[in-house]
Amino acid sequence: ETGVTQSPTHLIKTRGQQVTLRCSSQSGHNTVSWYQQALGQGPQFIFQYYREEENGRGNFPPRFSGLQFPNYSSELNVNALELDDSALYLCASSTLERGYNEQFFGPGTRLTVL
Amino acid sequence: EDKVVQSPLSLVVHEGDTVTLNCSYEVTNFRSLLWYKQEKKAPTFLFMLTSSGIEKKSGRLSSILDKKELFSILNITATQTGDSAVYLCASEPHRGSTLGRLYFGRGTQLTVWP
Repeated sequence: ETGVTQSPTHLIKTRGQQVTLRCSSQSGHNTVSWYQQALGQGPQFIFQYYREEENGRGNFPPRFSGLQFPNYSSELNVNALELDDSALYLCASSTLERGYNEQFFGPGTRLTVL
Repeated sequence: EDKVVQSPLSLVVHEGDTVTLNCSYEVTNFRSLLWYKQEKKAPTFLFMLTSSGIEKKSGRLSSILDKKELFSILNITATQTGDSAVYLCASEPHRGSTLGRLYFGRGTQLTVWP
């Protein structure tokens, strides 16, 4: 186990609703990255937070937003949910200040949008 | 556009067989290549490769990187049913360009029959 936790494990929402997913990073890590993994695909980078600031963003619309807290835990918020947002949402923690970026993943949140 | 391509997409073998999984990448300012094993949800870190030609080994798993030809392979010898999983390859661009973002391939679904 990596020590990265995510909640909730499963979530069912309807189109147009809003959702908040949570991630607690591994002890000693100051960076959290969020990924979306659709069925049968590899994870796609949403954004990364480093020391409470957004530190890079993938090709996702502004209705995907996030936060990082002083304890380095993080939230992913998605507004105006669409059917295509159904996926496994993974967070990964790391520390950018160490030589290389080994990212350790949490168990994910399975989001279903009906 | 940066991309990672894995092959084959799926592979079925019997226990005891040896398998080779392939990963080719095109990433601007390449920094490292990572392999993960994904059984149910959380991808589990296997290897990080940064230097060409150096083999990383852990038990029955090994991996090598060819930075000239832009590919990596993951070998699993004497496969066991517990090796059944999706194996993900990801490349990391150099920090300062896209700041620790990982680009993932679609993965190889490995099934090991007893």
